[in-house]
Amino acid sequence: DIQMTQSPSSLSASVGDRVTITCRASQSISNNLNWYQQKAGKAPKLLIHAASSLQSGVPSRFSGSGSGTDFTLTISSLQPEDFATYYCQQSYSSRSFGQGTKLEIK
Amino acid sequence: EVQLVESGGGLVQPGGSLRLSCAASGFTFSSYSMIWVRQAPGKGLEWVSYISSSSSTIYYADSVKGRFSISRDNAKNSLYLQMNSLRVEDTAVYYCARDQYYRYYYYIDVWGKGTTVTVSS
Repeated sequence: DIQMTQSPSSLSASVGDRVTITCRASQSISNNLNWYQQKAGKAPKLLIHAASSLQSGVPSRFSGSGSGTDFTLTISSLQPEDFATYYCQQSYSSRSFGQGTKLEIK
Repeated sequence: EVQLVESGGGLVQPGGSLRLSCAASGFTFSSYSMIWVRQAPGKGLEWVSYISSSSSTIYYADSVKGRFSISRDNAKNSLYLQMNSLRVEDTAVYYCARDQYYRYYYYIDVWGKGTTVTVSS
């Protein structure tokens, strides 16, 4: 099974900050990496698929990069509505999620 | 409107069984593979099971293998999760989700609101 490891597990930042979250796969997954945002009490929402493709309707301040085993999600200028938990997920071999990164207001 | 609605959650004793259902609408259900994902209280997302559009391919997480069974009825636009030998650690919100396939990549693009399963004596 492919293990996904995110870092950091939590992050404090301010509105307007640039933030980067990292996700590492236990083996190469090519570009089969997706990013989701989840707010408390809600279902997750797809942000990025295939490592760097922005889902329709998602603001352009969100971007993804990486290939193989190392991936990043970047939010270029944090907005108040971006404070949430973020998950990476691989779809290369069955499915698995990272443990999540909680983004909190500083 | 594309929609997934889960049902069947509830309180069950350890060792018991429960069957979750997911009703799909607003899209051609038979064309999509489907997934169950769960989230224990205060914890992260955990992929549980996958079923292809024709039911020919099925995967399970190691944590549920041999106890849970995924199935679907394309004529009824419905997805199911039969959960047997339930444990306290199976307590979670269970989400039904659509697995999209586009340009050689898979991703979850539609989620239900979830149904809560509590395993407790």
